Amino acid sequence: AVQLTQSPSSLSASVGERVIITCRASQDITTALAWYQQKPGKAPKLLIFDASRLENGVPSRFSGTGSGTDFTLTISGLQPEDCASYSCQQFKTYPCTFGQGTKVEIK
Amino acid sequence: EVQLVESGGGLVQPGESLRLSCEASGFSFDFFWMTWVRQAPGKGLEWVATIKQDGSETYYVDSVKGRFTISRDNAKKSLFLQMNSLRAEDRAVYYCAKDVSVAGIPYWYFDLWGRGSLVTVSS
Repeated sequence: AVQLTQSPSSLSASVGERVIITCRASQDITTALAWYQQKPGKAPKLLIFDASRLENGVPSRFSGTGSGTDFTLTISGLQPEDCASYSCQQFKTYPCTFGQGTKVEIK
Repeated sequence: EVQLVESGGGLVQPGESLRLSCEASGFSFDFFWMTWVRQAPGKGLEWVATIKQDGSETYYVDSVKGRFTISRDNAKKSLFLQMNSLRAEDRAVYYCAKDVSVAGIPYWYFDLWGRGSLVTVSS
């Protein structure tokens, strides 16, 4: 199975700061990558699919880039409501797999 | 409202069974492949099982094959996960998720999730 490695595992940033989370795949997955946001006790939310396409209704401060094995999720201008965990998922090969998650906290 | 609501979680002993349910609302349930994903404490998300719109195809992660069964009732807009021979390592929050499913084909990523149902396996 394709392994996804996210970094960092956690970070703390100030409101308004740019936050970058990386996701590295163990093999080429082209652009078959999604990013999700999870808040405690709430349903996970799809943010980005196909590595860079923003899901309807997701604020434009979220963006995704990458292809092949290296991907990034950027939050341009961190907001208090962005305090959450973020996970990447590949859907290029079966079975689909997820990264271990990155916890984002507000300083 | 477009949503998925899981139920049926709880505390069981190793070797026992549990049946999770997921009720869908606000969308055409029978148009979409559906999936269960779990998250053990302190771990990342893990895909568990997926079922085709009409129930004719099912897929499982290796660690649950032969123990878990995914099924659905389209008339009741419900998804199920029958979990038998539960182990301590099955302890997790189980999420019901809707596959993007364009033109009846699964895309294997998920645009709607429930809040999850906690399963604890402990003696």
